Amino acid sequence: QKEVEQNSGPLSVPEGAIASLNCTYSDRGSQSFFWYRQYSGKSPELIMFIYSNGDKEDGRFTAQLNKASQYVSLLIRDSQPSDSATYLCAAFNTNAGKSTFGDGTTLTVKP
Amino acid sequence: NAGVTQTPKFQVLKTGQSMTLQCAQDMNHNSMYWYRQDPGMGLRLIYYSASEGTTDKGEVPNGYNVSRLNKREFSLRLESAAPSQTSVYFCASSGTLDSPLHFGNGTRLTVT
Repeated sequence: QKEVEQNSGPLSVPEGAIASLNCTYSDRGSQSFFWYRQYSGKSPELIMFIYSNGDKEDGRFTAQLNKASQYVSLLIRDSQPSDSATYLCAAFNTNAGKSTFGDGTTLTVKP
Repeated sequence: NAGVTQTPKFQVLKTGQSMTLQCAQDMNHNSMYWYRQDPGMGLRLIYYSASEGTTDKGEVPNGYNVSRLNKREFSLRLESAAPSQTSVYFCASSGTLDSPLHFGNGTRLTVT
């Protein structure tokens, strides 16, 4: 079992819809979670991070964390074509002292 | 505002050749990392340096060596390149190990 797993995708949503990206992790030692966006041919860039159970909102983005279910999600409201990218989930494991990335979910927002 | 700078951007090597990828950050970050990314896959950690003077292996360290030259610079060396090392390499830095990562623009390496 991979330490961090994401929906393989690809995920396609119409413009204006809500895109939901999911991530599960296997090690309960993971305490901090990050969502990165990566456009094709570019480097990853941080969108959001979350450390505590519950929701964290930043503009059109909401990160949700449920440590009991070992589940992290990213919601993108009012999706735009410019949101089309691969989204990488990462979990920092306190015991291991390093982060592990999922394989990413590719999102396409269709005009 | 350079952030994380990687050189070179592209490199083609023949099997058995060696090379060093350079990385420098100007954000006064303590931790630095080298990742590789293969098509359709996420990022796999090669080596990291939690702070100046320390380095540790990641998930896929075989065939690589690193040097944390000072707080700003962290280099990755391929002593004898193999086709399996064809990949995109990203350097990253963070304030601490559990902080968000800031990535360089990547090096696209092809080994023939």
